[in-house]
Amino acid sequence: AQKVTQAQTEISVVEKEDVTLDCVYETRDTTYYLFWYKQPPSGELVFLIRRNSFDEQNEISGRYSWNFQKSTSSFNFTITASQVVDSAVYFCALSEKKSSGDKLTFGTGTRLAVRP
Amino acid sequence: GAGVSQSPSNKVTEKGKDVELRCDPISGHTALYWYRQSLGQGLEFLIYFQGNSAPDKSGLPSDRFSAERTGGSVSTLTIQRTQQEDSAVYLCASSLAEGVGQPQHFGDGTRLSIL
Repeated sequence: AQKVTQAQTEISVVEKEDVTLDCVYETRDTTYYLFWYKQPPSGELVFLIRRNSFDEQNEISGRYSWNFQKSTSSFNFTITASQVVDSAVYFCALSEKKSSGDKLTFGTGTRLAVRP
Repeated sequence: GAGVSQSPSNKVTEKGKDVELRCDPISGHTALYWYRQSLGQGLEFLIYFQGNSAPDKSGLPSDRFSAERTGGSVSTLTIQRTQQEDSAVYLCASSLAEGVGQPQHFGDGTRLSIL
């Protein structure tokens, strides 16, 4: 069965610090997808990024970057020069390519608090 | 609308009552998912629809839970004889297709409180 572990329950940083959110996953499939979602205080889950299991290239989008390493089954997320608006709960999720859809298995989330 | 729309945004009801939650997916999205977010259980998958059919109901916690989707669009999640443990935020998501890792786009959720 698939599993996603986000060991960091809460992280608190001061604005402009860099912060890395860890995500470790377990799956038996060779084809799968990894996602990060942001849940701000307003509650809506916002899609940030998708990675498929065959693409290990790291990705950078502005202050956000993601490091995917199949060898360690990790998909970590780094925010550079954090801002107060980054305060949210961040979820890592895994879906496997199955005939019955892309249901997501979520980690328990990491609550990030960025202090001014 | 542009995003996934859920109603009501909040629902408070007494134990034992039935409730119906509604989800209006993004236009053109054929795949629709229901999840539940609660303090003790985190985010859990409930049911998946492709068009009007539900190939995967494996996440429904009991036979008090049911869902349907009509016209390949709006979906309703019904909880009968509600219990206090049903209190949670119920999230709906939709995506363009299934089985290909399409990102799911979520609504704001319905916060259900059972007294």
